[in-house]
Amino acid sequence: EVQLVESGGVLVQPGGSLRLSCAASGFTFSSYAMNWVRQAPGKGLEWVSSISGSGSNTYYADSLKGRFTISRDNSKDTLYLQMNSLRAEDTAIYYCAKPLPGVHGPTDCWGQGTLVTVSS
Amino acid sequence: EIVMTQSPATLSVSPGERAILSCWASQSVTRNLAWYQQKPGQAPRLLIYYASTRAAGIPARFSGSGSGTEFTLTISSLQSEDLAAYFCQQYNNWPLSFGGGTKVDI
Repeated sequence: EVQLVESGGVLVQPGGSLRLSCAASGFTFSSYAMNWVRQAPGKGLEWVSSISGSGSNTYYADSLKGRFTISRDNSKDTLYLQMNSLRAEDTAIYYCAKPLPGVHGPTDCWGQGTLVTVSS
Repeated sequence: EIVMTQSPATLSVSPGERAILSCWASQSVTRNLAWYQQKPGQAPRLLIYYASTRAAGIPARFSGSGSGTEFTLTISSLQSEDLAAYFCQQYNNWPLSFGGGTKVDI
């Protein structure tokens, strides 16, 4: 069974940093691109970032302006999202998501999400 | 960046009726368009990809159509469990982008 378990979401002050983790199991992690998608309270879905299976290619939403960094450790089957210079508008549930084979977009498996709250 | 627009924002449909949800892209995404369903308190679920291919385990009452800039998700006979928000997503160009969603009320 494919499982994605996010962790690391906490209350953090504006300007702070945070690293989210996503532990994957039930599939060959290194064979799949991976995505982070977020959802602010009561709002829609927002794609955050994607990374190729090898980790050599990364992609980001324009709105992040270099504040976030996606990475992966295929030896640990774990995906990461380093978040710096956090703002109130980054408050959201952050989902780790696995796309279908060979593509980045259509995502057929999602974690339960981890809540990041940015507030003083 | 490709902007995805969904209409209507809210759709009220009676059980057994057909629901038609629309999604427009600001430029062509060919057929690289996915639809998701999200129920309250849950993660999204993939319904449709490549505009019209149903994901594994998705009932046949869900169908997708369209190409280029105009897409439609049709729920042929709405069931009570279909109460949810529905989002489209283009994956033809970076950055990937979602529509604002349509909430289906029953």
